Amino acid sequence: EAQVTQNPRYLITVTGKKLTVTCSQNMNHEYMSWYRQDPGLGLRQIYYSMNVEVTDKGDVPEGYKVSRKEKRNFPLILESPSPNQTSLYFCASSFGAHSYEQYFGPGTRLTVT
Amino acid sequence: GESVGLHLPTLSVQEGDNSIINCAYSNSASDYFIWYKQESGKGPQFIIDIRSNMDKRQGQRVTVLLNKTVKHLSLQIAATQPGDSAVYFCAENYGGATNKLIFGTGTLLAVQP
Repeated sequence: EAQVTQNPRYLITVTGKKLTVTCSQNMNHEYMSWYRQDPGLGLRQIYYSMNVEVTDKGDVPEGYKVSRKEKRNFPLILESPSPNQTSLYFCASSFGAHSYEQYFGPGTRLTVT
Repeated sequence: GESVGLHLPTLSVQEGDNSIINCAYSNSASDYFIWYKQESGKGPQFIIDIRSNMDKRQGQRVTVLLNKTVKHLSLQIAATQPGDSAVYFCAENYGGATNKLIFGTGTLLAVQP
């Protein structure tokens, strides 16, 4: 089944404790992206990747890192999480340039205390 | 997840009625538009798309209308069913090679049985 998977689905952590949210897609998509979703603000892009080893900042990149060592994986790293990073996070992927239909993962609900 | 629906405009319709969800987009240079559906606890799911060289596109029970003059997009759902209850987002692409989508804040559709 073609899908985007994220792990963990739920995470409660404390301020400053490094964490990684994994994202994997099995559709051989070139483009991958991370979003955060907050009430009243909609989906905001954190980082995106056009292909392996190519990443760039989205609209709200502060406090986040990403890497794209393999085509299928695009982990989101929070080196020192803070309470304002409490949010619902989505990973998405699409075939490549000019293919705008993005497929979303199920989401990761992160709480930072 | 469930908190996505808070603070959103809500459209309440009776089962069997037609629904019209509206969206104002921001950039007159956008050349591609998508409607997504997000059910509680899930990631956004593609419904239908339209390119800027079209005014109307139909799918199964859904129609998207594009009015470039006033930068307005609408999603019409025929014979609305309880399973249509969800948050609906429009998204626009500014063009270029970055695949970047800008999402609206969404509308909560509540279908009354």
